[in-house]
Amino acid sequence: SAVISQKPSRDICQRGTSLTIQCQVDSQVTMMFWYRQQPGQSLTLIATANQGSEATYESGFVIDKFPISRPNLTFSTLTVSNMSPEDSSIYLCSVGEGPYNEQFFGPGTRLTVL
Amino acid sequence: ILNVEQSPQSLHVQEGDSTNFTCSFPSSNFYALHWYRWETAKSPEALFVMTLNGDEKKKGRISATLNTKEGYSYLYIKGSQPEDSATYLCASPTGANNLFFGTGTRLTVIP
Repeated sequence: SAVISQKPSRDICQRGTSLTIQCQVDSQVTMMFWYRQQPGQSLTLIATANQGSEATYESGFVIDKFPISRPNLTFSTLTVSNMSPEDSSIYLCSVGEGPYNEQFFGPGTRLTVL
Repeated sequence: ILNVEQSPQSLHVQEGDSTNFTCSFPSSNFYALHWYRWETAKSPEALFVMTLNGDEKKKGRISATLNTKEGYSYLYIKGSQPEDSATYLCASPTGANNLFFGTGTRLTVIP
């Protein structure tokens, strides 16, 4: 299974600023996924990052708020733009394996917005 | 959007006790059912991917069953240990990519 690293592991940010989260995989993968978990909520898919094309965003998430880069097959970034306290969450990247997309997750980024 | 629900929301058990919790999901257009364990300060870890009605999977003291006709899965932990303390998540995809997660069951095993 893939080994995934993320940074930063946590951050405290001011309202109105932006934070870029990096995700590195130890093998080449076609698709990478970005999730967030707000306090008390389900783990929710933000977008699927494909190498060589624009990310595919889920309902309720837009590119202006969560721009994603996927410059190669082992790396992706998620930016949380113009942050508000509602963006305080754990953000996870993952890759899927097998026909049923079993997920392998990075360690997560715990974001607090003041 | 798929409505995946888990119960209970949290659970405290004594070390050595066995326990179980539930994941319910829409039974129509079933594709697969995933279970993950998420320990504090670690990555969520895949436990099982289940696809067939009547499936039963086991990993050590943890097992899971699946009923796709009625739309539920049970996760069982036999002889709970403090290291089993974690949030247990289930998820069901609508197709190949998009997984919908439940809110999880937070298990605390008291030594």
